[in-house]
Amino acid sequence: DSGVTQTPKHLITATGQRVTLRCSPRSGDLSVYWYQQSLDQGLQFLIQYYNGEERAKGNILERFSAQQFPDLHSELNLSSLELGDSALYFCASSVAPGGGTSITDTQYFGPGTRLTVL
Amino acid sequence: AQTVTQSQPEMSVQEAETVTLSCTYDTSESNYYLFWYKQPPSRQMILVIRQEAYKQQNATENRFSVNFQKAAKSFSLKISDSQLGDTAMYFCAFMKHGYGGATNKLIFGTGTLLAVQP
Repeated sequence: DSGVTQTPKHLITATGQRVTLRCSPRSGDLSVYWYQQSLDQGLQFLIQYYNGEERAKGNILERFSAQQFPDLHSELNLSSLELGDSALYFCASSVAPGGGTSITDTQYFGPGTRLTVL
Repeated sequence: AQTVTQSQPEMSVQEAETVTLSCTYDTSESNYYLFWYKQPPSRQMILVIRQEAYKQQNATENRFSVNFQKAAKSFSLKISDSQLGDTAMYFCAFMKHGYGGATNKLIFGTGTLLAVQP
């Protein structure tokens, strides 16, 4: 158990709908990352937050957004869903946002949310 | 841009034997980290081992060790005394050291599916 929690574990929805994925980082971790794992794209970085502020964006679609709340949990919002959005979405957390040590910068992953868009 | 290449899509090893998984990467950075994560059938991403680029000594974690060749940009994972529980997808990942707090996103290879045979 990494200490990172994600809910829900599975989500099945229809095209055009909107869903929210939730992540709670490890105790003491200030930085949260979202990754998407799909068969055709592999594991890709979406977005990073550090202590409530957006730190970096990766290959995140405009239909997707995220935020990190004062209690440090994070939510990833996916809207106008398409079939191609079906994937495993991971949240990871680390103590520091980068520029620290290998220990503070190491990312620990949650169990993931499997999204199926029908 | 950094890239990570895992040229072995699938490998197989007998229980109790030793196996080596290959990884090469491309970067112009001088300070970075390298990681191996495993993803068993449960789909959880689990940290196996990490290596700091500035350290010449190869990292070891129990039965897992790496052969880090910085000049060759190679980072292979050796699993000794393979166990059935080692059956998983193994991902090699690169992280730039984020000076000044810059983002430290992970860049993943495509993975090697390892099957440990009884």
